[in-house]
Amino acid sequence: GAVVSQHPSWVICKSGTSVKIECRSLDFQATTMFWYRQFPKQSLMLMATSNEGSKATYEQGVEKDKFLINHASLTLSTLTVTSAHPEDSSFYICSARGNAGVGKTQYFGPGTRLLVL
Amino acid sequence: DAKTTQPPSMDCAEGRAANLPCNHSTISGNEYVYWYRQIHSQGPQYIIHGLKNNETNEMASLIITEDRKSSTLILPHATLRDTAVYYCIVRSGPLGTASKLTFGTGTRLQVTL
Repeated sequence: GAVVSQHPSWVICKSGTSVKIECRSLDFQATTMFWYRQFPKQSLMLMATSNEGSKATYEQGVEKDKFLINHASLTLSTLTVTSAHPEDSSFYICSARGNAGVGKTQYFGPGTRLLVL
Repeated sequence: DAKTTQPPSMDCAEGRAANLPCNHSTISGNEYVYWYRQIHSQGPQYIIHGLKNNETNEMASLIITEDRKSSTLILPHATLRDTAVYYCIVRSGPLGTASKLTFGTGTRLQVTL
C-alpha cells in the first residue's frame, strides 16, 4: 500500500505557543488530505478535509482560525495548532488519498502526539 | 453515509480464524464497505474494501452478504500482532471522489495464546 508520513511523531509545548505538524504522501500524489484527532479511549474524529490548492473544509465545531491547514502541494499538508492549550493535547492523524492507483484508497499517517503543558 | 454496528470486543486464539461482523443495514447502492484497523498508538491501517463481491488480499477476506446489509472480515490465521481495534466503515461514492471516512467505535480484537 501507499505510505503517508507525519512529522514530528510527538511534541511537547508550552501553553500559548503554536505547533506545526507535517503530513507527506511519499509514493503517490494526494489530491485530498484529511486531518483527524483522537482523544484517549475514543475513536478518530475528522477535523477537516483539504484539496490541493484549495481552502480546507472544517467539520462542525472545529475552529478554522485555531487549526490552520495548508495543502500547498500534492505531497504535503500541514496542520498548525495556534495558541495551543492543554485541552488541545491529543493524537493528531493525517490521511491522504489520490486519484489513481494505490492512492485511490485513503491511507493514514502514523500520528503525532501533542502534549501542551 | 450509512451507519455501521460492530460488537465492542472479541477474543480469538492465535492461529485460529478471526471473524469480525459488521452490520450496515441502511447501506445504499453506491456505498462501499471499508475495513481499517488501529494498533495501539498508531495510525489506522487499511485492510480491504468491497462493493458487493467478496474480496481477498494478503491480509484478509471480506464477505459481503447478497443483500449487502452486513459483512464479515476474516483474518484466516490470527496472530498476536493482529490485536487491534477494527473499524468497519461505509463510504459513499466511487473511489477518488471527495467522500470521507467516518469512524465509529469499532471492535477491539484481542488475540490470545
